[in-house]
Amino acid sequence: EPEVTQTPSHQVTQMGQEVILRCVPISNHLYFYWYRQILGQKVEFLVSFYNNEISEKSEIFDDQFSVERPDGSNFTLKIRSTKLEDSAMYFCASSEKSGLNEKLFFGSGTQLSVL
Amino acid sequence: AQSVTQPDIHITVSEGASLELRCNYSYGATPYLFWYVQSPGQGLQLLLKYFSGDTLVQGIKGFEAEFKRSQSSFNLRKPSVHWSDAAEYFCAGRPSGGYQKVTFGTGTKLQVIP
Repeated sequence: EPEVTQTPSHQVTQMGQEVILRCVPISNHLYFYWYRQILGQKVEFLVSFYNNEISEKSEIFDDQFSVERPDGSNFTLKIRSTKLEDSAMYFCASSEKSGLNEKLFFGSGTQLSVL
Repeated sequence: AQSVTQPDIHITVSEGASLELRCNYSYGATPYLFWYVQSPGQGLQLLLKYFSGDTLVQGIKGFEAEFKRSQSSFNLRKPSVHWSDAAEYFCAGRPSGGYQKVTFGTGTKLQVIP
């Protein structure tokens, strides 16, 4: 089965530094998502992306966050100035279409640790 | 708020025993509901989904779930658990119709003992 690939699997950074989390969605998918899971908490929606623009974002996704599809295959999440509370597992997901038959395919996640 | 709730944080069952993981939802109309599994070091994998129609949904790996409107529940079941089923299970939901984001429950960690 095709899969969503995320790199790196673990990222350690100092508070205030910029990080970029990378994702390669499934090739024919059109909708892309970022979710995160803080340790011990639920998986939270961050942002969805379609047709090279954000289609929805949560209140978590503030000005420190940005997403980009720079080259038609990668889908990145940038955190401009990391905070301690940004430490979490970040999941990328993609789907072929939105709506009734939407099926999200998730990557294995990037564990971000902010020190 | 529209959401799903998983009341059990951690469940332990013996291998071969039956399993039921609870999920309750709070949406105005019939939502779309999902169960995902996350094995250690893996991403989230869709087990099954409910959109409409038959309230008993069959999924992969021998799992099934039943949508009960009267109880606002969508519990996941398996008649006989295998050691490889040890993982974290997430119930998820979204309002029906159009594009809507999926929201997840807090997850239930399943431990399987010999």
